[in-house]
Amino acid sequence: NAGVTQTPKFRVLKTGQSMTLLCAQDMNHEYMYWYRQDPGMGLRLIHYSVGEGTTAKGEVPDGYNVSRLKKQNFLLGLESAAPSQTSVYFCASSSLGAPMNTQYFGPGTRLTVL
Amino acid sequence: AQRVTQPEKLLSVFKGAPVELKCNYSYSGSPELFWYVQYSRQRLQLLLRHISRESIKGFTADLNKGETSFHLKKPFAQEEDSAMYYCALLEETSGSRLTFGEGTQLTVNP
Repeated sequence: NAGVTQTPKFRVLKTGQSMTLLCAQDMNHEYMYWYRQDPGMGLRLIHYSVGEGTTAKGEVPDGYNVSRLKKQNFLLGLESAAPSQTSVYFCASSSLGAPMNTQYFGPGTRLTVL
Repeated sequence: AQRVTQPEKLLSVFKGAPVELKCNYSYSGSPELFWYVQYSRQRLQLLLRHISRESIKGFTADLNKGETSFHLKKPFAQEEDSAMYYCALLEETSGSRLTFGEGTQLTVNP
């Protein structure tokens, strides 16, 4: 099993450009999450999903949109990128059946917005 | 609102010395706490969870409800313990969301 994968690994955008980050998991997990990691601020939840076709806002949702059309995929979109969105983005998944609510993380996407 | 605080952004110790990474939380319910670790160039992974009362890679963490703390300890640090450590609190709401602390970068010097 590949676990949780993220595409792309790196990306540089100009202010105002749009892009989509793809997260895929092959563990049949119900829950999926998008976080951003910034120095000194830890991981902050952007959006999450408790199942196919459902999404919800996390702690820092502004400027981002998400979709969960298939159970195994969770997409994070930036419609108009801003320099403040320069960050490392992590996707994670978990399951009601997973031991003690463990979240499994992807390798991250490093995004720079110029 | 729940909150997790890790007061030390950076922690440096020598190999063989004891290490303690501090974590404090605020939560009105019954807390479920975790430590996640991120080694250099690797993805974040679960280190241990308080409910299992386990020791992983020599690390232990005890939940102290009176002091609202969940400090991570290891009696003899190793160079391979150098990593970023995050304390996390489970939200008892839909989606099993985690609230993470700011993280502590541990460096174990030879």
